[in-house]
Order: sequence, then C-alpha cells, then structure tokens
Amino acid sequence: EPEVTQTPSHQVTQMGQEVILRCVPISNHLYFYWYRQILGQKVEFLVSFYNNEISEKSEIFDDQFSVERPDGSNFTLKIRSTKLEDSAMYFCASSEADSWKQPQHFGDGTRLSIL
Amino acid sequence: KQEVTQIPAALSVPEGENLVLNCSFTDSAIYNLQWFRQDPGKGLTSLLLIQSSQREQTSGRLNASLDKSSGRSTLYIAASQPGDSATYLCAVRRGNYGGSQGNLIFGKGTKLSVKP
Repeated sequence: EPEVTQTPSHQVTQMGQEVILRCVPISNHLYFYWYRQILGQKVEFLVSFYNNEISEKSEIFDDQFSVERPDGSNFTLKIRSTKLEDSAMYFCASSEADSWKQPQHFGDGTRLSIL
Repeated sequence: KQEVTQIPAALSVPEGENLVLNCSFTDSAIYNLQWFRQDPGKGLTSLLLIQSSQREQTSGRLNASLDKSSGRSTLYIAASQPGDSATYLCAVRRGNYGGSQGNLIFGKGTKLSVKP
C-alpha cells in the first residue's frame, strides 16, 4: 500500500540552526500538510499546500517556517532559526483531489530535538 | 473555535472485551471525522473516516459512529486483542471556506492497553 515517507526519522540540531525536514507524499496525491506534536500534547496543524502554494497556515507557522515542493516528489519544511520550543514530532500528510472528502495519510514523523 | 475532547484519557481492559472510545467536538460544522491509531514513537495510521452526512463506518472489528448534531463520535472495538494497544486519536475536519482545504483538529487521544 502506498505510504508517506519522511526523512530523517530523528534530527538533533543546535538552537539557532536551520533544519529541513523532508517528505515524499503518496504519488497521486495533490494536497500536502505539515503537523507537529509536542511531547504529551495534541497534534497541531501547521500548514497546507496545494498547487505549489500555501493554501492555509496556523498561527504557529510564523516567518521562521517555510515549505517547498522542490521537485515532483519531495515536500519540505524548513525552520530557519530553531528554538528550544520547536522540539517536537513533525508529521507530513497528503490527500487526494477533492481532499475534503478523502482521508489524510500520515508519515511516521521526524522527531526534532533542539539542544 | 473548534475543540476536540477524548474521554477517557487512558483505558485498560482484559483481552476479549468489547470497548468504546469517545470523542466530542464543540462546533458541529465539520466536513468529516477521522479516527487514527498511533503506536509509541510512530506516525498516525488512519482507521476510519466518516463524512458529515454519514452515521457510521465499519472496518473489521472497528465501528465508528457520528452524531454531528450533538458533536459526538464513538469508536467501538470488538473482541479486543493485545495488538490493539495504542493511542487512538480522533480528528475533525472543519468546514471548507475561502478555498481552504480544511485542516484536521485533533483530540489528545485515548491510550488503550489490552492485557492478555
């Protein structure tokens, strides 16, 4: 069964450094999302992306964050200057066309640890 | 603002028992509701998706119901097994407006432990 893949599985970075989290969505999906889950807390929406542009973002997704689809398969989340509070599990998700009717499929996540 | 609550936060049952997990949401203007399973340190596995016009969905031993007007959903697990031990998350997809795709809003989950 097709799946969303994320790399790396665990990223450890010094505070202030830039990180790029990578995702390969399911190949025929058109809508892409990033969510995060701080340890012990709810999964929170960050951003959705469609047709090479951001379609929606939450208040968490400030100027330090950016997303990109650099080629036909990858979808990346960049955090420009990491803070301690960015430590979390970051999940990528994708869904098909008519996305509001379709389930979102999630990857296994990247655990980001900021030191 | 949409809030999703799951009760109980944790549940421990003996193997073979039937059980119900509860999810409630404050705003009934949803497009659909999705139940997920999360194993420790892992991603989210989609279990069932119920559209707002539907009352229930079934997959194997799982049955999810939706009462949109009262803002409630339940996940029923029949004949539970130790392999069902995981955290179960409920998420609602809010209404589509202004061309947005409607992000998911999650509950905190119910941590289920099924004892052999």
